[in-house]
Amino acid sequence: GAGVSQSPSNKVTEKGKDVELRCDPISGHTALYWYRQRLGQGLEFLIYFQGNSAPDKSGLPSDRFSAERTGESVSTLTIQRTQQEDSAVYLCASSLDGTISYEQYFGPGTRLTVT
Amino acid sequence: EDKVVQSPLSLVVHEGDTVTLNCSYEVTNFRSLLWYKQEKKAPTFLFMLTSSGIEKKSGRLSSILDKKELFSILNITATQTGDSAVYLCAPRSGNKLVFGAGTILRVKS
Repeated sequence: GAGVSQSPSNKVTEKGKDVELRCDPISGHTALYWYRQRLGQGLEFLIYFQGNSAPDKSGLPSDRFSAERTGESVSTLTIQRTQQEDSAVYLCASSLDGTISYEQYFGPGTRLTVT
Repeated sequence: EDKVVQSPLSLVVHEGDTVTLNCSYEVTNFRSLLWYKQEKKAPTFLFMLTSSGIEKKSGRLSSILDKKELFSILNITATQTGDSAVYLCAPRSGNKLVFGAGTILRVKS
């Protein structure tokens, strides 16, 4: 039983470049979440996918951030024209069904550093 | 605005001590409250609480929720050095978890 996986584990990019972060949820989990954790701060919600429903994008900080999910599988989070304040650990989580209170399981995260 | 306050911010104890971590919250559309342990990057799930007054236990850890007072506690008995971590409280507000800043626990041998 594989857990949530994310790639890459670390990414260093220059300011202004675009980056793509990938998340593979636990098989059979219909709900997928992205969170961000800046250094020394708590996790912030970014976006939520539930099955084929329209995603909840209410946590995305700007229009430079977008995310996609293909069906109930892989998700990619894209950050365009990266800024230094985007440096953070980006965490993905999945749960069995987001419409019910199931626990969310987190992946190992991608540490993004914008220079 | 959703708010989660954890206390203490940090504490240092000796092996064998018992600790109580506190979490107070104000969130809209409350559905449940989760506790996580974070040692490196990935938070590890500990408990999910949905009903008031029902204690959940797992080994030396236990937790309880008070939905009237908007409060939860996490207890760890007979602490071990492996319990050293950041403990995160996260009430669920609608579709998302709202995280507190966490309590940093250090257990000295």
